[in-house]
Amino acid sequence: DVKVTQSSRYLVKRTGEKVFLECVQDMDHENMFWYRQDPGLGLRLIYFSYDVKMKEKGDIPEGYSVSREKKERFSLILESASTNQTSMYLCASSFGQASNNEQFFGPGTRLTVL
Amino acid sequence: AQSVTQPDIHITVSEGASLELRCNYSYGATPYLFWYVQSPGQGLQLLLKYFSGDTLVQGIKGFEAEFKRSQSSFNLRKPSVHWSDAAEYFCAVGSFMFSGGYNKLIFGAGTRLAVHP
Repeated sequence: DVKVTQSSRYLVKRTGEKVFLECVQDMDHENMFWYRQDPGLGLRLIYFSYDVKMKEKGDIPEGYSVSREKKERFSLILESASTNQTSMYLCASSFGQASNNEQFFGPGTRLTVL
Repeated sequence: AQSVTQPDIHITVSEGASLELRCNYSYGATPYLFWYVQSPGQGLQLLLKYFSGDTLVQGIKGFEAEFKRSQSSFNLRKPSVHWSDAAEYFCAVGSFMFSGGYNKLIFGAGTRLAVHP
């Protein structure tokens, strides 16, 4: 079974702190994704990576950056956390280029910025 | 622009009753459609997907969905709901991100299902 793990289930940070959210997948998937989930808005794509060191902006990249130095690991970085970044963050991975390939999700990190 | 609408934010059904969750999409070409479920404290799990062929697709946990192009709908159904089905359900449409054909999922806002004993 595909496993996508995220480094923390719950995280509390202060405004202005630099925050790292880590995601690891164990199925050698090429593609990895970061979403944020907010009530009434569903999931919105922040960033996407289709290969090591490659990244693409999603729908809401402002205030975020990403890093993918190894195929299995995809990090989301909040350079200076703000209260409006309080949210649930979900990482996902998928195989190959076919547009109907399933995305596999991690359990999520609930981030609170005070 | 592509979009997904789930008209019902909350639905409550009795255990054993039938269920239908609505999903409407806006997409220019033939869509790739997905239903995911998120149980409390969990990530999303794929229930089923449609990309071609038979418009009635079967998924896990006894769920099925029907693609109706004329109505731009992909409604999720289950004939008899179990208490363990209480969760949030997300409909999504696959969308090309760029010329490489990579799949971006556009999600609806979700429908939260409560099941009464």
